[in-house]
Amino acid sequence: DAKTTQPPSMDCAEGRAANLPCNHSTISGNEYVYWYRQIHSQGPQYIIHGLKNNETNEMASLIITEDRKSSTLILPHATLRDTAVYYCLLRFTDKLIFGTGTRLQVFP
Amino acid sequence: DGGITQSPKYLFRKEGQNVTLSCEQNLNHDAMYWYRQDPGQGLRLIYYSQIVNDFQKGDIAEGYSVSREKKESFPLTVTSAQKNPTAFYLCASSIVLNLQGDYEQFFGPGTRLTVL
Repeated sequence: DAKTTQPPSMDCAEGRAANLPCNHSTISGNEYVYWYRQIHSQGPQYIIHGLKNNETNEMASLIITEDRKSSTLILPHATLRDTAVYYCLLRFTDKLIFGTGTRLQVFP
Repeated sequence: DGGITQSPKYLFRKEGQNVTLSCEQNLNHDAMYWYRQDPGQGLRLIYYSQIVNDFQKGDIAEGYSVSREKKESFPLTVTSAQKNPTAFYLCASSIVLNLQGDYEQFFGPGTRLTVL
């Protein structure tokens, strides 16, 4: 079973920040939080990951709560090309377990 | 270019035939994976391999078989025993980056298999 919970869908206006939440209340101390996205009929694309600290790269920022039971992926200036399904995952031993993700629709 | 290649992108087979999906990576990654994705669903793990000549079943291995004779290659055979083989199949590879367990996993472009 997936160990994360995400809303099934979200909308965001182009140019605005998209904040995608993820709950992982049963996370263990050494599990990383990973985010991937999948554009229709393509392979998932790695976005970002983190353990305890907030992380930022050229694609997004990841905010992890202090108790590590939830996190938020932030796309600071969403574009139409960011429309995709976003998966929040925990690395479980040597496997990534996918849930159903959040379908983000960016509109003009 | 470095990466993961899957071929072909689209594959059609008649019911009852075995079919083998190709996955090759030149990332020098140790581990490789096969996932299946059905419409509107997340990815489900079929098989994975951490080293050459070794592999483990994932959550939905029934009706599938794999081999890992070379580090670069991890072909998946969809056998006639798989009751609903029509799906989008994704291959991935990964490597542990450091002693802290930092890790990267990349995916191929996928093969869409349709069984008629």
